[in-house]
Amino acid sequence: KNQVEQSPQSLIILEGKNCTLQCNYTVSPFSNLRWYKQDTGRGPVSLTIMTFSENTKSNGRYTATLDADTKQSSLHITASQLSDSASYICVVSANDYKLSFGAGTTVTVRA
Amino acid sequence: DSGVTQTPKHLITATGQRVTLRCSPRSGDLSVYWYQQSLDQGLQFLIQYYNGEERAKGNILERFSAQQFPDLHSELNLSSLELGDSALYFCASSPGLTYNEQFFGPGTRLTVL
Repeated sequence: KNQVEQSPQSLIILEGKNCTLQCNYTVSPFSNLRWYKQDTGRGPVSLTIMTFSENTKSNGRYTATLDADTKQSSLHITASQLSDSASYICVVSANDYKLSFGAGTTVTVRA
Repeated sequence: DSGVTQTPKHLITATGQRVTLRCSPRSGDLSVYWYQQSLDQGLQFLIQYYNGEERAKGNILERFSAQQFPDLHSELNLSSLELGDSALYFCASSPGLTYNEQFFGPGTRLTVL
């Protein structure tokens, strides 16, 4: 069964600090992995998309890494801002178009 | 603004009723996806349509159905509603089938009383 597990479930960080979110998956055959940011009550917004051959991708202060061998990905947030408070969702796509969603990591940035 | 529109924004109805949620994808996008997000839960993929045809199915109940019309807008029909169907329903669209960024709409909040 294709699964995506994210950790931690939630975390609190101080403004200006860095943090790293983890995503482990068992989806096979792997097509791509995406990270989304979802503000409370709003639709998710794509941060990065990575295929098998890509091992790092950045979008501003967000940097995603992918290790397709160990089936792990991470999302690193640099110099966090209050606006980074949101849920971050890891989504893995298999070659049959099916998407597997992680439960998300809720990040709270405090001043 | 993602370019994906959903109506209505809010919907309050009673158990046993039937409702229809509507989604208009971004201009040019052929794929439409439907998701359910219950309170404090992750996104659950329901179903995907591509150019009018069903392409992938997730955890969609038999009481739920969807379709995509020739103009590419999509509707999600929810029938025999139960209290547990109360959730945010998101529609997303993308240009094609795979390796495409999905653009999410603002969602429809359904409350079943």
